[in-house]
Amino acid sequence: EDQVTQSPEALRLQEGESSSLNCSYTVSGLRGLFWYRQDPGKGPEFLFTLYSAGEEKEKERLKATLTKKESFLHITAPKPEDSATYLCAVQHTGANSKLTFGKGITLSVRP
Amino acid sequence: EPEVTQTPSHQVTQMGQEVILRCVPISNHLYFYWYRQILGQKVEFLVSFYNNEISEKSEIFDDQFSVERPDGSNFTLKIRSTKLEDSAMYFCASSGVTNRDRGASHYGYTFGSGTRLTVV
Repeated sequence: EDQVTQSPEALRLQEGESSSLNCSYTVSGLRGLFWYRQDPGKGPEFLFTLYSAGEEKEKERLKATLTKKESFLHITAPKPEDSATYLCAVQHTGANSKLTFGKGITLSVRP
Repeated sequence: EPEVTQTPSHQVTQMGQEVILRCVPISNHLYFYWYRQILGQKVEFLVSFYNNEISEKSEIFDDQFSVERPDGSNFTLKIRSTKLEDSAMYFCASSGVTNRDRGASHYGYTFGSGTRLTVV
């Protein structure tokens, strides 16, 4: 069974203080690893998909990396508007297979 | 940017009543899904739908649940007799055929903004 573990559960940063969020996973054949942002009471908002170990993707202050066992979401010089819950999910092989999510990491960035 | 649209945003229903949650997936997507998130918990898979039939379902998706694509645009989730424990956010999602080879960043696995279902 696919499993996703995210750590830490919550992270408080000062504005400008860079950090990384961790996602460890086990999956029977990885089709893709997804990162989403979720604001309170809203749906997951797509950030990145990573397909294979060694791949990296960047978007503004966010950079996602992937190894065979884990993924990191690096946040460089965060701003208060980056405060949200960040969700990691894996999809095993199969064109329309489900996503298995972790519990998420709640990030709070203080001005 | 294309969106997945869900209605209503909030539904309150009495225990034992039937509810229908509605979704309009992204127009050129072929795969449709329902997920739910109980307050404070993980997003959980319920069901996937392709070519007018269920392709995968979770243990949560029992006989009280059903899905339908009644026309070319809508995708619905019906709960026949709601229980208190059905209270959750329900998310619809859709995805398309991968265009990874063309360097696109994702499969288009896009979620709607959700319907908050409260069973009283």
